[in-house]
Amino acid sequence: GENVEQHPSTLSVQEGDSAVIKCTYSDSASNYFPWYKQELGKRPQLIIDIRSNVGEKKDQRIAVTLNKTAKHFSLHITETQPEDSAVYFCAARRTSYGKLTFGQGTILTVHP
Amino acid sequence: DAGVIQSPRHEVTEMGQEVTLRCKPISGHNSLFWYRQTMMRGLELLIYFNNNVPIDDSGMPEDRFSAKMPNASFSTLKIQPSEPRDSAVYFCASSLGLNSGNTIYFGEGSWLTVV
Repeated sequence: GENVEQHPSTLSVQEGDSAVIKCTYSDSASNYFPWYKQELGKRPQLIIDIRSNVGEKKDQRIAVTLNKTAKHFSLHITETQPEDSAVYFCAARRTSYGKLTFGQGTILTVHP
Repeated sequence: DAGVIQSPRHEVTEMGQEVTLRCKPISGHNSLFWYRQTMMRGLELLIYFNNNVPIDDSGMPEDRFSAKMPNASFSTLKIQPSEPRDSAVYFCASSLGLNSGNTIYFGEGSWLTVV
């Protein structure tokens, strides 16, 4: 089955700095890679996703890049703000196979 | 849109008792997922359904766990008998279907504590 590894497990940055979280996956058939943000005591919520036919996708301060050859994808957050502090999960999934496999999560702390 | 609705939000029960968690998926969504979240194991998929049929239950930890989806708008996850190691947050999630691009939306979770 699919295995998703996520690094780092914790990340601490100053407000205004950039943050990068990296994930690798094992199943070459995976073709959908979402990122979820989970605030303390809340549910995971989708913040951005990318499909395998795209190398990069950007939404305001958030961007995701995908390298299918190397089987890794990354989340980039620029101009970080204290409200970006949360746990971020990457995940991978393949067509017609419902299982979404999550990485272990990254605790991001943005210091004012 | 009310989103995925779960109940109860919090439950504290004694070891050995039966626990039933309930979920109403987003209207029109054909796929339903049960996840468990703990500090040690992260987000684990327990089971998922498509069109009310269980597709993959390989994540169900033991026979003490069972899940049903009697209709398109309701699912239950039952633990009998419960044990302290079952303490976790149980998330129900739903999506339009199993295509890889269908976004999976999570409910608020059911926080279970078994003492």
